[in-house]
Amino acid sequence: DIQMTQSPSSLSAFVGDSISITCRASQDLHGGLTWYQQKPGKAPKVLIYTGFTLQSGVPSRFSGSGSGTDFTLTINSLHPEDSATYYCQQSYTTPFTFGGGTKVEI
Amino acid sequence: QLQLQESGSGLVKPSQTLSLSCLVSGDSIVNDAYSWSWIRQPPGGALEWIGYINHRGSAHYNPSLGSRVTMSLDSAKNQFSLTLRSVTAADSAVYYCAREVRLANYFDPWGQGILVAVSS
Repeated sequence: DIQMTQSPSSLSAFVGDSISITCRASQDLHGGLTWYQQKPGKAPKVLIYTGFTLQSGVPSRFSGSGSGTDFTLTINSLHPEDSATYYCQQSYTTPFTFGGGTKVEI
Repeated sequence: QLQLQESGSGLVKPSQTLSLSCLVSGDSIVNDAYSWSWIRQPPGGALEWIGYINHRGSAHYNPSLGSRVTMSLDSAKNQFSLTLRSVTAADSAVYYCAREVRLANYFDPWGQGILVAVSS
């Protein structure tokens, strides 16, 4: 199975800050990387797929980059509603696997 | 608007069988652009993909669950189901159903989730 390692596991930031979350895979994903946002008691929602494609309806302050084994989710100009846990998922091959999550406190 | 809704028993005894269904509304479950997945999340834990079933009823499971898992599709009811046998406390989790977009293998949307506890 492909192992997904996210860092940091948690972070605190202020409204208006920019933050980055990284996800490292144990092998080349050939662009198959998805980012999700999960709020307490809710199901995850997709933010970005194929490493950089913004899902329809997701604010443009969210962006994704990376290739190979290393990917980054960047949130610019943090809003209070961005408080959540963020997960990466390798969508390259089955079994699909997720990172351990990054809890973001605003 | 596409919606998914899980249903089933929220409490299962150890060694017994967990059975869940996911009703899909707003799209046909036999649309070949999608597969239909189950994903679980233990309390406070990370996400684990259980498997998917495609529009033809062909399923693919996470090897970590061995032969305990079976998925099925009911096109007449527009729903799909999960069966997990011989459960233990480690199977306690929130179980989500989700549509998998086959073009890029991501999950969208998800159901609201159903909490299943394994306890005697």
